[in-house]
Amino acid sequence: AQTVTQSQPEMSVQEAETVTLSCTYDTSESDYYLFWYKQPPSRQMILVIRQEAYKQQNATENRFSVNFQKAAKSFSLKISDSQLGDAAMYFCAYRSNYGGSQGNLIFGKGTKLSVKP
Amino acid sequence: GAGVSQSPSNKVTEKGKDVELRCDPISGHTALYWYRQRLGQGLEFLIYFQGNSAPDKSGLPSDRFSAERTGESVSTLTIQRTQQEDSAVYLCASSLRDANTEAFFGQGTRLTVV
Repeated sequence: AQTVTQSQPEMSVQEAETVTLSCTYDTSESDYYLFWYKQPPSRQMILVIRQEAYKQQNATENRFSVNFQKAAKSFSLKISDSQLGDAAMYFCAYRSNYGGSQGNLIFGKGTKLSVKP
Repeated sequence: GAGVSQSPSNKVTEKGKDVELRCDPISGHTALYWYRQRLGQGLEFLIYFQGNSAPDKSGLPSDRFSAERTGESVSTLTIQRTQQEDSAVYLCASSLRDANTEAFFGQGTRLTVV
């Protein structure tokens, strides 16, 4: 079974600085997708960024980028120019695409990010 | 509606009672997920429906928990003989069939067992 591990329960960053959130996963599959979701205090889960395992190029969405290391099974999220609104729980997630069929969406335990003004 | 809708938003129940939580996915979304989130914790997978395939029930914590979904529409999560440890937010999400698609979440149902 696939597992997702986020080893940092809490992180803190100064406003305008850069922070990196770690995520590792375990799978025997080669075709899958990885996601980062944000959950602010409102509880609404929001997709931040996604990465296809077959693409070597790291995904980027404005201030958010990932460092995808497939061999190491690592998928870290970098937030540049941190803003107060970035404060939230961040969840890393894995979904297989085995045989072209969507699998379950598996989450890590999350990292609580605080942004200091 | 445009998003995933869950009801009720809050539910307080007495220990031992049964509760039923409802999820209305986005129209056309074949995949539907239920997760449990205890206070300050991560998302614990409960059950996954994908179209007409047999659901993945591997996350259900006990036989007190069950879920149904009719076709690609509404899903209900039922907890029988509730216990205090069942207190949590229950989140529902739906997505299109393709693996790269975003899962859209509802606001969740906060269940409190007293």
